Amino acid sequence: GQSLEQPSEVTAVEGAIVQINCTYQTSGFYGLSWYQQHDGGAPTFLSYNGLDGLEETGRFSSFLSRSDSYGYLLLQELQMKDSASYFCAVPYNQGGKLIFGQGTELSVKP
Amino acid sequence: KAGVTQTPRYLIKTRGQQVTLSCSPISGHRSVSWYQQTPGQGLQFLFEYFSETQRNKGNFPGRFSGRQFSNSRSEMNVSTLELGDSALYLCASSLDPQGELFFGEGSRLTVL
Repeated sequence: GQSLEQPSEVTAVEGAIVQINCTYQTSGFYGLSWYQQHDGGAPTFLSYNGLDGLEETGRFSSFLSRSDSYGYLLLQELQMKDSASYFCAVPYNQGGKLIFGQGTELSVKP
Repeated sequence: KAGVTQTPRYLIKTRGQQVTLSCSPISGHRSVSWYQQTPGQGLQFLFEYFSETQRNKGNFPGRFSGRQFSNSRSEMNVSTLELGDSALYLCASSLDPQGELFFGEGSRLTVL
């Protein structure tokens, strides 16, 4: 089956850089996605990695190493509004079923 | 462009009752999926529909069911509610099953 592991909590200060790691076990691999969720609201899509390497979107970057079954989300120039839960997710198959990690709660301090 | 709309946003039921939750996807999106979110279990997949066909189903008992209509709107139903069904139920739509998911704000169900 599929499973994902990520840290439950991370704390950082404004302006800093933080990395949220995700390791996964899958029977097949169809990419790794990241979602952000503020206070139990609607999760929003941040990034997707289908191939090894780094994807950059503004202050956020995501990295994937398929050989290590590992990825991370990098948040730069942290802002207070980045305080949220971050989830990594992998598709179960080529359909629309996503398996989510338990989420990492990021707290950004002034 | 309107986002994913879920109704009702909040509801309170008692054990043994049943509940129906509704989801209107983004216009043009034919794939709709449902997730249950609880503090202890995180985001767990319930079902996914594409063009009115259920393509994937999660590991939930038969009390949880869903359907999708020809206009892509979707409903999920939970019968014989249990205390453990208290959760945030999230609906997500996408252009295609492998695409980026757009989530609604969710329906927060409390079972007393």
